[in-house]
Amino acid sequence: QVQLVQSGAEVKKPGASVKVSCRASGYAFVNHYISWVRQTPGQGLEWMAIVNPSGGPPTYAPQFQGRITMTRDTSADTVDMEVSSLRIDDTALYYCARVRFYYGPGNFLIDHWGQGTLVTVSS
Amino acid sequence: DIQLTQSPSTLSASVGDRVSIACRASQDINSWLAWYQQKPGTAPRLLIYRASTLESGVPSRFSGSESGTEFTLTISSLQPEDFANYYCHQYHSYPVTFGQGTRVETK
Repeated sequence: QVQLVQSGAEVKKPGASVKVSCRASGYAFVNHYISWVRQTPGQGLEWMAIVNPSGGPPTYAPQFQGRITMTRDTSADTVDMEVSSLRIDDTALYYCARVRFYYGPGNFLIDHWGQGTLVTVSS
Repeated sequence: DIQLTQSPSTLSASVGDRVSIACRASQDINSWLAWYQQKPGTAPRLLIYRASTLESGVPSRFSGSESGTEFTLTISSLQPEDFANYYCHQYHSYPVTFGQGTRVETK
């Protein structure tokens, strides 16, 4: 069955960076895009980015441009997302998710989600 | 960005009730709408996509409909396991966006 397993919770100080890892299994990793969504009590679900594990540049939501770096490792079926210049309001549960189909940067369906990684930003 | 407005924010209901959750899009999204269910401490689960297509494995008591920019998720007979949060999601245009969520709670 499709599984996305994410790395563990992190606590960071403002201005630091955090890297969250997502390992896929149960399907052909290179055949499905991976997207990232975060969840906060105040903002709800917020889409962040999407990447093709086969290659090509990621697409980022406007508010995250310049603060996110994504890397992929097809030998390990893993996608990592690094968020830099962390702020207090970046405290959130970060999800990676598999994309069932992709027609464009604003036209794709998420069908499976990872378990989430809690990132806490606190001084 | 396309805004999605869900109503109500909280819905109090009993087992066996028929419940409906509305989601209004700020512009035409051509049926590119999905519904997700999320229970506390778990990730969202896809219920419906393309406004009315039931995801495999989802009970048939869940259904989706649309009228223009108004979308509705209906649970025909609420079951104990259906008490959860529900989110609509548009994937018509960049950036994709989500509704603010509806909590279905026990009356």
